[in-house]
Amino acid sequence: EVQLVESGGGLVQPGGSLRLSCAASGFTFSSYEMNWVRQAPGKGLEWVSYISSSGSTIYYADSVKGRFTISRDNAKNSLYLQMNSLRAEDTAVYYCAREISGGITIFGPVGYFDYWGQGTLVTVSS
Amino acid sequence: DIQMTQSPSTLSASVGDRVTITCRASQSISSWLAWYQQKPGKAPKLLIYKASSLESGVPSRFSGSGSGTEFTLTISSLQPDDFATYYCQQYNSFTWTFGQGTKVEIK
Repeated sequence: EVQLVESGGGLVQPGGSLRLSCAASGFTFSSYEMNWVRQAPGKGLEWVSYISSSGSTIYYADSVKGRFTISRDNAKNSLYLQMNSLRAEDTAVYYCAREISGGITIFGPVGYFDYWGQGTLVTVSS
Repeated sequence: DIQMTQSPSTLSASVGDRVTITCRASQSISSWLAWYQQKPGKAPKLLIYKASSLESGVPSRFSGSGSGTEFTLTISSLQPDDFATYYCQQYNSFTWTFGQGTKVEIK
């Protein structure tokens, strides 16, 4: 059974840092691209970051570029999100999501998200 | 970035009703569209991918259609378990974007 379990959320002051983790099990983690998606309280879903299966290709949403860093450790079946210079607008539930290949576009192979973790809440407030 | 616009934002319906949600993309995304269902306090659940392909285990009352810039999610006969919020998502490029969501409420 595929499982994704996020951890590391909590209350942090504006300007602070936090590191989220996502522990994967039930599938060959090193074969899948992974993503972080967030959801502010009462709001919709916002994609945050992508990392390829090897970790060699990374993308960020403009809203977090330069402040957040995605990484993975395939030996530990784990995905991470280092969040620095946090702002009140970063307050959200953060989900990790497994990506499954959807096809080949003009941009290259892209996919959709077939499994999601339960999420971890990050609150940025003084 | 590609913008995704869903309508309506809220939909009131009764058990047994046929329900249709529309999602429009700001530019063509071919068929690179997924639909998700989310219940309060839970993670999103994949329903449909590639605009019209039903994810394994999802009831056949859910269906998707469309291509290019206009897409629909249809629930043929609304069940009590279907009251939730639904999101479309484009995966045409490496900046995934979601619609703002459609909340399906009990009438």
